[in-house]
Amino acid sequence: EVQLVESGGGLVKPGGSLRLSCEASGLIFTKAWMNWVRQAPGKGLEWIGRIKSKSDGGTADLATPVKGRFTISRDDSKATMYLQMNSLKTEDTAVYYCTTPYFWSGLDIWGQGTVVTVSS
Amino acid sequence: SDELTQPPSLSVSPGQTASIACSGDKLGDKFACWYQQKPGQSPVLVIYGDTRRPPGIPERFSGSKSGKIAILTINGTQTTDEADYYCQAWDSSNVFGGGTKLTVL
Repeated sequence: EVQLVESGGGLVKPGGSLRLSCEASGLIFTKAWMNWVRQAPGKGLEWIGRIKSKSDGGTADLATPVKGRFTISRDDSKATMYLQMNSLKTEDTAVYYCTTPYFWSGLDIWGQGTVVTVSS
Repeated sequence: SDELTQPPSLSVSPGQTASIACSGDKLGDKFACWYQQKPGQSPVLVIYGDTRRPPGIPERFSGSKSGKIAILTINGTQTTDEADYYCQAWDSSNVFGGGTKLTVL
């Protein structure tokens, strides 16, 4: 069974940092382009970034609202993607999902999400 | 512009056809995807490549596109289809539309 499991969410003060993890199983992780999508309470989906497979360059792209504050990385030996979040703002409060276009040209595999709350 | 525009809400009766439009410049040369999200659940891909349906998605779900407008159609809408639906332009930025809350009653 293909599965993505996020972890690392929690409560953090504004200006603080947090690192999220997304562990994959049941898929060939080295080939997967991995994405982060977030959803603020009561709001819609927001794509925040993606990291390509190493064979496709391994580069990461980030959306404008998080560029310069967030970093995406991957450890293929652990089948895990990371989201390092620095200089957190209250507006970063959201459920963070990891997701990948694995079987189809669309985000067809999603994790259950991890909750990040930025509050003083 | 990177924005994708959807109506915020749509209400249909069971058995009727629901059509949700998504418009944006990026749809002119990028494929559209559609996602269904029920409360407290992760999104589910229901349409990719403008018109293609992943395995397991009921045939009553279909997609179409003309120019810069993509449409998700649900024929014979069921109460279980009540959910939020998001469009997406499949490209480097993967921007989502604002979402449409479909109510079936």
